[in-house]
Amino acid sequence: DSGVTQTPKHLITATGQRVTLRCSPRSGDLSVYWYQQSLDQGLQFLIHYYNGEERAKGNILERFSAQQFPDLHSELNLSSLELGDSALYFCASSGGAGGPNTQYFGPGTRLTVL
Amino acid sequence: GQQVMQIPQYQHVQEGEDFTTYCNSSTTLSNIQWYKQRPGGHPVFLIQLVKSGEVKKQKRLTFQFGEAKKNSSLHITATQTTDVGTYFCAGGFSSGSARQLTFGSGTQLTVLP
Repeated sequence: DSGVTQTPKHLITATGQRVTLRCSPRSGDLSVYWYQQSLDQGLQFLIHYYNGEERAKGNILERFSAQQFPDLHSELNLSSLELGDSALYFCASSGGAGGPNTQYFGPGTRLTVL
Repeated sequence: GQQVMQIPQYQHVQEGEDFTTYCNSSTTLSNIQWYKQRPGGHPVFLIQLVKSGEVKKQKRLTFQFGEAKKNSSLHITATQTTDVGTYFCAGGFSSGSARQLTFGSGTQLTVLP
């Protein structure tokens, strides 16, 4: 158990809809990262937040947005969903006792868009 | 942008054979990390290398960081079925966010019993 929690575990929705994925980092970690992993694909970095502020953006679509709240949990919002958005979405956290760079991944949210 | 290339994409080995995956960056890395993702699981941190030419071992796993800090390898000796999974390297670039990593595409290892 990495200490990072993600909800929900599975999400099935229809095209055009909007969903919110939630992540709670490990205790003490200030950084939260979001990644997208499609079938047989690597980890595509989406966005990084540190202590409530956006620090870096990767290949994140304009239809996607994220935020990190004062209690350090983060939410990834996906809107106008398309079939191609079906993927595993991982959240990772870092910055605590494990060192500034080591990332601890949550179990992921599997999103299926029908 | 900053990229980390990883090969091979897939590797099938017979149990007991050795396995190696390689990562390359066109620019100097500040550090490199390795992660393992079991089928159906999430990536799990294995190790971090920071120094030029660094070699670290974890039981049957040997990790190397190149002298120029642009390449790295993970070698598994005498693979076992428990080694099955996808191995990712992740490079840290000093010019990027201090905590951001760029992941390679991963090598999916299958170990045949």
